[in-house]
Amino acid sequence: AQRVTQPEKLLSVFKGAPVELKCNYSYSGSPELFWYVQYSRQRLQLLLRHISRESIKGFTADLNKGETSFHLKKPFAQEEDSAMYYCALYNQGGKLIFGQGTELSVKP
Amino acid sequence: KAGVTQTPRYLIKTRGQQVTLSCSPISGHRSVSWYQQTPGQGLQFLFEYFSETQRNKGNFPGRFSGRQFSNSRSEMNVSTLELGDSALYLCASGFTGEGEAFFGQGTRLTVV
Repeated sequence: AQRVTQPEKLLSVFKGAPVELKCNYSYSGSPELFWYVQYSRQRLQLLLRHISRESIKGFTADLNKGETSFHLKKPFAQEEDSAMYYCALYNQGGKLIFGQGTELSVKP
Repeated sequence: KAGVTQTPRYLIKTRGQQVTLSCSPISGHRSVSWYQQTPGQGLQFLFEYFSETQRNKGNFPGRFSGRQFSNSRSEMNVSTLELGDSALYLCASGFTGEGEAFFGQGTRLTVV
């Protein structure tokens, strides 16, 4: 079954510390993976997708097919990074399978 | 460019009633998908429409239905509402529907 797992519901770090939000997936085939973010009182928005290999707002994510992971990383967390982060797997026909989300809290 | 617009933003309905939610996608987007978000189940896919055709459907009962019009606007309907249908319903649009989705702010449905 296709599934996305985000093991941490809440991740709390101090400003300037590195951050890694974990995402593991289960998919038979070549996966297309995304990270979406929801800041407080804002709509859910795309942060990055693995095929673009971009760094957005200092965040990067590498697809590791061997470990079936797509962890989101940032070397130095900022307070404005505090938000809800969702890892998502594209299935087909417009369907995204979302993880349960990780709330990132960056303390000053 | 205007974002995805969902109306209404909030709804309170009684068990057994039906409800229709509306979604206006970003201009030029032909894919519209719907998700249900609850604290317990998270974000769950309901269905997706592309050029007026339903391409995919999630594991929801037949009480949940949708449609898309020629201008890409979409509606979803829930009949015979149950308390468990209380949720935030999100609509998302995209050019192709292949993962890159632009979300609306959602409609908060409360069933009493």
